[in-house]
Amino acid sequence: DTEVTQTPKHLVMGMTNKKSLKCEQHMGHRAMYWYKQKAKKPPELMFVYSYEKLSINESVPSRFSPECPNSSLLNLHLHALQPEDSALYLCASSQAGLKKIPYTFGSGTRLTVV
Amino acid sequence: KNEVEQSPQNLTAQEGEFITINCSYSVGISALHWLQQHPGGGIVSLFMLSSGKKKHGRLIATINIQEKHSSLHITASHPRDSAVYICAVNSGGSNYKLTFGKGTLLTVNP
Repeated sequence: DTEVTQTPKHLVMGMTNKKSLKCEQHMGHRAMYWYKQKAKKPPELMFVYSYEKLSINESVPSRFSPECPNSSLLNLHLHALQPEDSALYLCASSQAGLKKIPYTFGSGTRLTVV
Repeated sequence: KNEVEQSPQNLTAQEGEFITINCSYSVGISALHWLQQHPGGGIVSLFMLSSGKKKHGRLIATINIQEKHSSLHITASHPRDSAVYICAVNSGGSNYKLTFGKGTLLTVNP
């Protein structure tokens, strides 16, 4: 298995809703990432988990809450989002602790906040 | 902070043409990545380079470390190659942070 699987592919949520995005990989990668991508812009790093511990938080608002329950799974919990949070949310994974690391990206979750 | 510049921003070609997309960066790197993203889709990693040249099918990527420059070539382009091509680099203290270029939108017409 050489894929990163993201679910759901599309999500529409209201500003008072709570929802979660899920990311799964079975490549034995111990680094997992969340990126946010607005239209026609490059991805912006949000969080990095390394060996199931939060390694990088790029000053992301607390309405986004990441969770890494095990080495294969990465979740992003969403609560009280704003319309400007509408974007493509990409998950990625890689080996951990190396300087030259190829990344594997998922196909993303298209999030619309109404 | 590393600056990553790509050129051109937009590129239109006829099917069969040879395509070149360029990437330059300002600070030394540990690795450079070429990524492909179809409209509305996820990202596919095409190449990771730290020196020399790599080839996969009709795609060729080269890097010149001294000149801080990389190129992505597509031979015999096809409409299915239409996508955004993104250059990204690993540099600095963190192994986990990528600095992305703004991307090159390639359209290949039949």
